[in-house]
Amino acid sequence: EAQVTQNPRYLITVTGKKLTVTCSQNMNHEYMSWYRQDPGLGLRQIYYSMNVEVTDKGDVPEGYKVSRKEKRNFPLILESPSPNQTSLYFCASTPQGFAPYGYTFGSGTRLTVV
Amino acid sequence: GQSLEQPSEVTAVEGAIVQINCTYQTSGFYGLSWYQQHDGGAPTFLSYNALDGLEETGRFSSFLSRSDSYGYLLLQELQMKDSASYFCAVERDSSYKLIFGSGTRLLVRP
Repeated sequence: EAQVTQNPRYLITVTGKKLTVTCSQNMNHEYMSWYRQDPGLGLRQIYYSMNVEVTDKGDVPEGYKVSRKEKRNFPLILESPSPNQTSLYFCASTPQGFAPYGYTFGSGTRLTVV
Repeated sequence: GQSLEQPSEVTAVEGAIVQINCTYQTSGFYGLSWYQQHDGGAPTFLSYNALDGLEETGRFSSFLSRSDSYGYLLLQELQMKDSASYFCAVERDSSYKLIFGSGTRLLVRP
């Protein structure tokens, strides 16, 4: 089944403790992206990647890092999480970054930073 | 900058037709997408419009007017399972970024 898999689904952590949210897709998509979703704000893009070793900032990249060492994986790293990063996070992928194909989203990771 | 505006909530009756509007302001424009998201779920792709006019996919249709920077999603023969949030999203040219609106929560009543 074609899908984007995120882990974990839920995570509660403490301020300053480094964490990684994994994202993997099995559709051979070149383009992957991370979004955060907060009430009333819709989905805001954190980082995106056009292909292996090619990443760029979205609209809200502060406090986050990403890497794209393999085509299928695009982990999101929070080096020193803070409470304002409490949010619902989604990973998405699409062929070549073309919106007409539609983005396929993962099931989401609900992160709470205390 | 860029902005997308859509109503925060819409209520409709089962079997009826509902239209969710989206107006946008962006520096550069490729196309307008629509996504559906049920509570606790992932957004799922519904439609994409790059050219003016109406695109129909089953009970759902999407319309775009580039000159008015306006689009809408039309849902016909509403079903209870259509209760969800609907997001419009703008693809800006040459940026590989999909910018989402804040979403419209649709409640379908019996």
